[in-house]
Amino acid sequence: DIQMTQSPSSLSASVGDRVTIACRASENIDTYLNWYQQKPGKAPSLLIYAASTLQSGVPSRFSGSGSGTDFTLTINSLQPEDFATYYCQQSSSVLLSFGGGTRVDIK
Amino acid sequence: EVLLVESGGGSVKPGESLRLSCAASGISFTYAWMAWVRQAPGKGLEWVGRIKSEANGGTTDYAAPVKGRFTISRDESTNTLYLQMNSLKSDDAGVYFCVSGYDVFDVWGQGTTVTVSS
Repeated sequence: DIQMTQSPSSLSASVGDRVTIACRASENIDTYLNWYQQKPGKAPSLLIYAASTLQSGVPSRFSGSGSGTDFTLTINSLQPEDFATYYCQQSSSVLLSFGGGTRVDIK
Repeated sequence: EVLLVESGGGSVKPGESLRLSCAASGISFTYAWMAWVRQAPGKGLEWVGRIKSEANGGTTDYAAPVKGRFTISRDESTNTLYLQMNSLKSDDAGVYFCVSGYDVFDVWGQGTTVTVSS
């Protein structure tokens, strides 16, 4: 099974900050990597798929990069509505898996 | 607008069974590949399993912790996805989300809560 490891597990940031979240796969997953945002008490929503393609309707301050085993989600100019938990998910293997999540809260 | 509405959650004892349903609308369900994702209380997301469209054989895949105990099925006549859960354990407790997509999940239901406790 492919293990997904996110870092950090949590971070504090201010509105306007640039935030970077890392996701590492236990083996090569090419660009089969997706990112989701989840706000408290809500279902997750898709932000980015195929490592760097922005889902329709997602603000352009969100971006994704990486391939192989190392990936990054970047939020430029953090907005109040961006305080949430972010998950990466690999779609390379038949058995899908998520990272443990990164919680972004207000400094 | 695609809408997924789960139901069937509740409180059961270890070893008991439960069937979750997911009513889909605004989607060509016959061609939709669907999945279930769960979230234990205060924990992260965990993929449970998925099912291809009937047109693609309706085959299923399951995560190791649920394989042999859970079964995903679909009813094209009612646009409904099911998750039959047998031999439930305390580790199976949490919110269960119905999602559209086979490996990238673009639409999520609101979730239904399963409690497993003696």
